[in-house]
Amino acid sequence: DAKTTQPPSMDCAEGRAANLPCNHSTISGNEYVYWYRQIHSQGPQYIIHGLKNNETNEMASLIITEDRKSSTLILPHATLRDTAVYYCIVSLSEKLVFGKGTKLTVNP
Amino acid sequence: DAMVIQNPRYQVTQFGKPVTLSCSQTLNHNVMYWYQQKSSQAPKLLFHYYDKDFNNEADTPDNFQSRRPNTSFCFLDIRSPGLGDAAMYLCATSRDVFGTTALTEAFFGQGTRLTVV
Repeated sequence: DAKTTQPPSMDCAEGRAANLPCNHSTISGNEYVYWYRQIHSQGPQYIIHGLKNNETNEMASLIITEDRKSSTLILPHATLRDTAVYYCIVSLSEKLVFGKGTKLTVNP
Repeated sequence: DAMVIQNPRYQVTQFGKPVTLSCSQTLNHNVMYWYQQKSSQAPKLLFHYYDKDFNNEADTPDNFQSRRPNTSFCFLDIRSPGLGDAAMYLCATSRDVFGTTALTEAFFGQGTRLTVV
């Protein structure tokens, strides 16, 4: 079973920041947090990952709490094309195991 | 340029007739994965290869088999497809296994949508 908990759905207005939370309270010290998204009828797409420090790339920012028990993915200026299911994943025994994810809908 | 290529994008097969889905990669990655994704569900890992070493998930039915003849190619064989096997099948690769200190990410193909009639 996945080791993460995410809200099933969220809405965001176009142009606003989308903040997607993830709880991973049982994460161990050397496990990374990965975020992927899946746009309808496409394969999952890597977004970002991190271990302890906050991370930022051209797609998003990842904020990890100091105790590492939760994280937030931030899309700073959401567009309609960001509508997708977002998966927060903690690596489990050499594999990527997907949980249910959050369906983010960006509204005009 | 596509790095993980799955063919075909859509496959229709008859109930009980063996079918093979293919995946190729241009990344020279060590690990290749096969996932099954049914409608409105998360991808479910079936098995993965680390180089030539095959790793089956405990709950993957025997009906599903895989072959990896070389680094670039990996096949998913469904020996006797049932109606419940209709799904999107996703292939992915990664340079190394997850859960290690090496940073890695997985690259997914566009998937093959299998219909069983």
